[in-house]
Amino acid sequence: DGGITQSPKYLFRKEGQNVTLSCEQNLNHDAMYWYRQDPGQGLRLIYYSQIVNDFQKGDIAEGYSVSREKKESFPLTVTSAQKNPTAFYLCASSPGLRSYEQYFGPGTRLTVT
Amino acid sequence: SQQGEEDPQALSIQEGENATMNCSYKTSINNLQWYRQNSGRGLVHLILIRSNEREKHSGRLRVTLDTSKKSSSLLITASRAADTASYFCATDPVQGAQKLVFGQGTRLTINP
Repeated sequence: DGGITQSPKYLFRKEGQNVTLSCEQNLNHDAMYWYRQDPGQGLRLIYYSQIVNDFQKGDIAEGYSVSREKKESFPLTVTSAQKNPTAFYLCASSPGLRSYEQYFGPGTRLTVT
Repeated sequence: SQQGEEDPQALSIQEGENATMNCSYKTSINNLQWYRQNSGRGLVHLILIRSNEREKHSGRLRVTLDTSKKSSSLLITASRAADTASYFCATDPVQGAQKLVFGQGTRLTINP
C-alpha cells in the first residue's frame, strides 16, 4: 500500500525532554511537511522540505528541528525549548511544493506534562 | 492573519440536506484546495480548483471560485452522517513562500 505513516499515534513526555516524531512515505514524493494543530484550530506549518538534505522553516519553527537525510523520511524533533508542545502533529507529502494536493499521515498526539 | 478563513465556524444540518461552506482569502492565488478531517485523523484531499476555473464537481461535492471576490464555496449535496467532519480550505498564494496556507476550518455535523 502506498501512503504516509506516522508513529506513534500517542506520545507522552515529561517537560524538559526532547522527543522525535516519525514520518515515512512511500509515495516517492519530493516535498514533505510538518504541521501543528491545536484543538478546534487549523493547521500551522512548522517545517517543510522540497528535497533531500534541504528544509525550510515554516510559520512556527521555534523549538522544533527536522532532518531530511532520505527522501522517504522527515522526522520532527520537539525540543525542550518549545514552550507549549502539547498538540496534534501532522505530517504530509506532495509531489512538489506548488499546485499539488498534499497527502497526510494519521497524526501523532503529543502530550507533555 | 490566515490567508483562508472559513465561514461558518460550525454548521449542523439534518441528513439529506445540503451543506454550504465558504472560504475567503486575501491575496491572489494559484489554486485553492478543500480538505476533510475526521475527528482525530489526518486530512484528506477533496478537490483542487485552479485560479482560472470557476466551478468543479466531484461526486456530491461542488466547489466554486470567485477570484474577483477572493472567495470559494464548498457545497455538499444530499448530506450523510459520514460527512460529519471538519472541512478546511487551503490556498496556494502567488506571492510568497511556496506553501499552502490553511484556514481554521468549518466543523460540519450531520444529524440523522
